[in-house]
Amino acid sequence: GENVEQHPSTLSVQEGDSAVIKCTYSDSASNYFPWYKQELGKGPQLIIDIRSNVGEKKDQRIAVTLNKTAKHFSLHITETQPEDSAVYFCAASGSNYQLIWGAGTKLIIKP
Amino acid sequence: SQTIHQWPATLVQPVGSPLSLECTVEGTSNPNLYWYRQAAGRGLQLLFYSVGIGQISSEVPQNLSASRPQDRQFILSSKKLLLSDSGFYLCAWMGGSYNSPLHFGNGTRLTVT
Repeated sequence: GENVEQHPSTLSVQEGDSAVIKCTYSDSASNYFPWYKQELGKGPQLIIDIRSNVGEKKDQRIAVTLNKTAKHFSLHITETQPEDSAVYFCAASGSNYQLIWGAGTKLIIKP
Repeated sequence: SQTIHQWPATLVQPVGSPLSLECTVEGTSNPNLYWYRQAAGRGLQLLFYSVGIGQISSEVPQNLSASRPQDRQFILSSKKLLLSDSGFYLCAWMGGSYNSPLHFGNGTRLTVT
């Protein structure tokens, strides 16, 4: 079936350094790939998304890259700050207006 | 602009009691609506989704049910709660076209005692 693998499950980086989270999807028909940030006790918030006709998208300190051939996409956060600490989820579009979710990455920013 | 309202924010219910969680969306029409559950420290599990009034698709067989009595209202219910129903319940909406972003509410923390 359709699935999305996300790595690592936990990532600890020094404040100011970069963080990279990677996801691999199985359904070659997937063409929409959003990333969500979830803070404790809140619902996930969309932070960036990319469609299959684009290889890279950037929004200030956040960027997403997509390799359709290899079926993987990555989230890059540069110059990390304490407020970047959260759980991040990747997803890939599936059938019937559904998203297939990764298991999440807990990002810890060390001061 | 579109907004999503979900309530209550927290709920403590005894085993065997009924449940009703409500979600409404403003600022859009004919959205796709979703109920997710998230166990502590875990990922997102899709429970139900709806592409229109009265149209409910269930992803996980359990003692929960969903209804969509109005275009922008989605209700999650149970007749008798189990301990295993405890979790963080999230409502979400998506525009009617493919590859639209999914927008979440702030969730309901349900504890079944």
